[in-house]
Amino acid sequence: DAGVIQSPRHEVTEMGQEVTLRCKPISGHDYLFWYRQTMMRGLELLIYFNNNVPIDDSGMPEDRFSAKMPNASFSTLKIQPSEPRDSAVYFCASSSRQGGAAFFGQGTRLTVV
Amino acid sequence: AQSVTQLGSHVSVSEGALVLLRCNYSSSVPPYLFWYVQYPNQGLQLLLKYTSAATLVKGINGFEAEFKKSETSFHLTKPSAHMSDAAEYFCAVSRMDSSYKLIFGSGTRLLVRP
Repeated sequence: DAGVIQSPRHEVTEMGQEVTLRCKPISGHDYLFWYRQTMMRGLELLIYFNNNVPIDDSGMPEDRFSAKMPNASFSTLKIQPSEPRDSAVYFCASSSRQGGAAFFGQGTRLTVV
Repeated sequence: AQSVTQLGSHVSVSEGALVLLRCNYSSSVPPYLFWYVQYPNQGLQLLLKYTSAATLVKGINGFEAEFKKSETSFHLTKPSAHMSDAAEYFCAVSRMDSSYKLIFGSGTRLLVRP
């Protein structure tokens, strides 16, 4: 298995632009998580899905952030419009069942200038 | 709601010395507990997990952790540190019920001195 695949690995964009981060979870996993990692705030859970349905989006910082999971093999995290304070590493992770360990992708390093 | 506290943002040990990274959790229901390691510019890698079986859990790279319900702790240990263990370590908790929400501690950076 190739593991959790995230794209792009690096993204540099200008303030105000739309940014879309992509994630392909491990096949057969039914939970998908989006995290944001910064020096100041550590690892924050933004949103998670179970069987493609958003379960808890209480960590999404603002309405500028949205996430979708149209099918079991693909999810997106979109920021529109982007701001410099959104600069962070965004991780996607997936898990096979309740209580199972989450497996992480390599992350997308987002820089908003 | 569950939460995790990791004591010490930085821990420094000599090569060959005992490694002890502390984690305390809070959960209103029985928890699942995890330790992850993160090397620079990489994602998080699972070291070990506790899911209500044995309280002493062995993981990869010689690490182990013990679940102590009375102390609400899940400390990570390794008898002898290697230079390659230098990384950031995260403790995480989720719930043993339908609300599967994996929450991470703030992390502990382990430095290994030659």
